[in-house]
Amino acid sequence: SQQGEEDPQALSIQEGENATMNCSYKTSINNLQWYRQNSGRGLVHLILIRSNEREKHSGRLRVTLDTSKKSSSLLITASRAADTASYFCATDAYDGNKLVFGAGTILRVKS
Amino acid sequence: NAGVTQTPKFQVLKTGQSMTLQCAQDMNHEYMSWYRQDPGMGLRLIHYSVGAGITDQGEVPNGYNVSRSTTEDFPLRLLSAAPSQTSVYFCASSPDRASPLHFGNGTRLTVT
Repeated sequence: SQQGEEDPQALSIQEGENATMNCSYKTSINNLQWYRQNSGRGLVHLILIRSNEREKHSGRLRVTLDTSKKSSSLLITASRAADTASYFCATDAYDGNKLVFGAGTILRVKS
Repeated sequence: NAGVTQTPKFQVLKTGQSMTLQCAQDMNHEYMSWYRQDPGMGLRLIHYSVGAGITDQGEVPNGYNVSRSTTEDFPLRLLSAAPSQTSVYFCASSPDRASPLHFGNGTRLTVT
């Protein structure tokens, strides 16, 4: 069964707008990661946030983590057409050798 | 530095055939894993390895075998292919189990 579930399943926005994707998970975690997947390619790591962190930034990306609600969000600011991709959250549970992925959010940025 | 290399990129099998999906990494990573990706299902972990000589099962291990005789290579064997194994398979590696994964570009497998 999946640990993380992304919401929404799909998102379509105009270039320059912000995109927000959410991830909910079920059990306690060590860390939560976000990945991007361009069509026909492997996943690329974007950002890792540890369970004792609440917010993290990387360029135009901002990730928040609320362990009390077991949820995380990924914000992409000033989106570009090149941001069009699928985005996945993944959690590393305490029993730990496994990184479990959600089903992903498909983001389309229209130019 | 090639990263994670998967071969072949595409493969068509008939039901009952066996084959091996190859995965090699040149980053001296200890941790390697295999995922399958199906529409609407995200990625599901098949098998993983925390180092040479050590392998363990993931979420969906049935029908697949792995071995890890070297740090660099982590092949995935399909023993008797079934249509339910039609999927895109990704190999990934990381320095250790807590670090972010580096993914290969996948093998698209169709079983008829």
